[in-house]
This record gives sequence, C-alpha cells and structure tokens, in this order.
Amino acid sequence: KAGVTQTPRYLIKTRGQQVTLSCSPISGHRSVSWYQQTPGQGLQFLFEYFSETQRNKGNFPGRFSGRQFSNSRSEMNVSTLELGDSALYLCASSSGAEGNPFFGSGTRLTVV
Amino acid sequence: GENVEQHPSTLSVQEGDSAVIKCTYSDSASNYFPWYKQELGKGPQLIIDIRSNVGEKKDQRIAVTLNKTAKHFSLHITETQPEDSAVYFCAASKGSGAGSYQLTFGKGTKLSVIP
Repeated sequence: KAGVTQTPRYLIKTRGQQVTLSCSPISGHRSVSWYQQTPGQGLQFLFEYFSETQRNKGNFPGRFSGRQFSNSRSEMNVSTLELGDSALYLCASSSGAEGNPFFGSGTRLTVV
Repeated sequence: GENVEQHPSTLSVQEGDSAVIKCTYSDSASNYFPWYKQELGKGPQLIIDIRSNVGEKKDQRIAVTLNKTAKHFSLHITETQPEDSAVYFCAASKGSGAGSYQLTFGKGTKLSVIP
C-alpha cells in the first residue's frame, strides 16, 4: 500500500510569489491534515480536510489556504510569500474513523 | 489551546540501555497521544500511540504510559540500538469519534544511541 505522497519535494520561491503544494493520501483515507515544521516553532497544525470540507484550522494567517478534491487529494496554497514561510510542509492522512494520522515526507519550501 | 511540553531536548544513551522521554499536556479534553520518530530528510513516522482509556501500551521494545490525572505521558525504549537514533516527538489531540485530529506537538527530543 503506497504511503502519503507529497509533491514537489523541494521548492524555491521568491518573496511575494505564491505556491501550491500537493498531497495524495493513503488509499482509502479521507482525512488530510497539513502541518508546518520549522526549527524555531516546531510542528504546527495548519488545517484539516475531510470529504472536501475544512474541519479544523490552526492559527495561521489567511495567506495559508487549502482544499480537498473528491478523490481525497489535497492542495495547500500560500500567497504573498514571506521569508518566514520557509519550512518543511507536512501532510498527514487518516482513515477518518479512529485511524491514526500517517505523515508524508514533506515539501521543503525555501523563500528567498 | 493545548500546550505540550517535552523533556529532555537531547538524550544520549549507550547501546543496550533504556531511554525515557516525558511529555506533559495542558488540555484535559485531549484523548489521543501519539509518538513519532523523525529521521533526517523524512516525515514523522508513527511508532506508538495511546488513547485516554488506556494507561499503558507496549509494542516490543517500545512502551508508552499515560497518567491522565497528572496530564503526562512517557515513551520508554528498552535495549536501545543505533538505529533508534532520531528525533522523537510526542503529540496530543482531542480526536473525535469521526477521526478528526488536530495534533499539538512537543518540541522534540534528539536521541543519540552510542554504539
């Protein structure tokens, strides 16, 4: 069974640009969550989607947004990039029942 | 909101010894406590978890204990091996019956197992 797949693995963007990251969950998983990992702040929850609906949202500005498609794949978008948005962005999927969240390898975003 | 404190931040042990990592949480409504291992260049890997209706859970060399009254939980690794070297994260969540998880993570513990 394939794990959580995140693309791209690495990304370099310029301040002010926008970026879209993609996440394909484990087959059969309907819940997708996104996390930001930085050396200073650690792992922080961004948002969670289930059946194309956002169920939970963390304390991030409106520049961070996401969506989920009918096949459970998810994307997150960051607009007007800032240097502080440089981080590893992780996606986790779970079955949506009592299933445990499993993480992908992440997308390393560097903003210059 | 939830706050998770994790100690120690670094831990060095001799191969074969035991390692213990401790976490405390603030929200008494949290009911799901997973532990993740993260190796360089990889995402966090779930190694064990415990739910609030259980006090202890063991899986081979790894065990987790939960004290709901004191709001703390611990990871125990016995007979450590060099491949156990990694960063370990504890987390807490008010997971609902619909499987909704909003994990709050500790800051991590870098475990080094010395051969």
